[in-house]
Amino acid sequence: EAAVTQSPRNKVAVTGGKVTLSCNQTNNHNNMYWYRQDTGHGLRLIHYSYGAGSTEKGDIPDGYKASRPSQENFSLILELATPSQTSVYFCASGEGGVYAEQFFGPGTRLTVL
Amino acid sequence: GDSVTQTEGLVTLTEGLPVMLNCTYQTIYSNPFLFWYVQHLNESPRLLLKSFTDNKRTEHQGFHATLHKSSSSFHLQKSSAQLSDSALYYCALSATGGYKVVFGSGTRLLVSP
Repeated sequence: EAAVTQSPRNKVAVTGGKVTLSCNQTNNHNNMYWYRQDTGHGLRLIHYSYGAGSTEKGDIPDGYKASRPSQENFSLILELATPSQTSVYFCASGEGGVYAEQFFGPGTRLTVL
Repeated sequence: GDSVTQTEGLVTLTEGLPVMLNCTYQTIYSNPFLFWYVQHLNESPRLLLKSFTDNKRTEHQGFHATLHKSSSSFHLQKSSAQLSDSALYYCALSATGGYKVVFGSGTRLLVSP
């Protein structure tokens, strides 16, 4: 089974500060995703990647950047954090193909004060 | 764009009663792939079942769902709810071929004794 890890697991940041959320997967999946989870909105896609060096905008990319330096690692960067970005963030990985299962990491709870 | 609608935010049931969680979708593509993910408390989402075949019942872990393209629906059912079924359930759609998955807003199922 795919192993997806995230760090940190919890983060408190100040408004205007820079936040980097990291994700690592050990199953050699090509695709990786960043979602945020909010009550009433479900899982919303922020950025995704098809492989090392690629990043694509998801449905809610504003205020977020992504970086995929290697097959294993995918980072989400908040350059200027705002309280509206307080949420639980999930990273996921999956093989290519529309029928592929996504494997989720444990999540990062981010609070922006 | 593609969308998924889960009309119930919360479903409460007594143990032993049947479960039905509604899911409808919208897409212009004729061959959508539908998924149900389940997320237990303090865990990350994981795949419960998936389908792309019209009018074919798919089963896993006591749950079943049938994709009906005529009504754009993929409802999740179980004959008898168990306490351990209490969780957040997401219906999801993949249709564009770009490996993006659109999630619904989720339905929380609470099963009581």
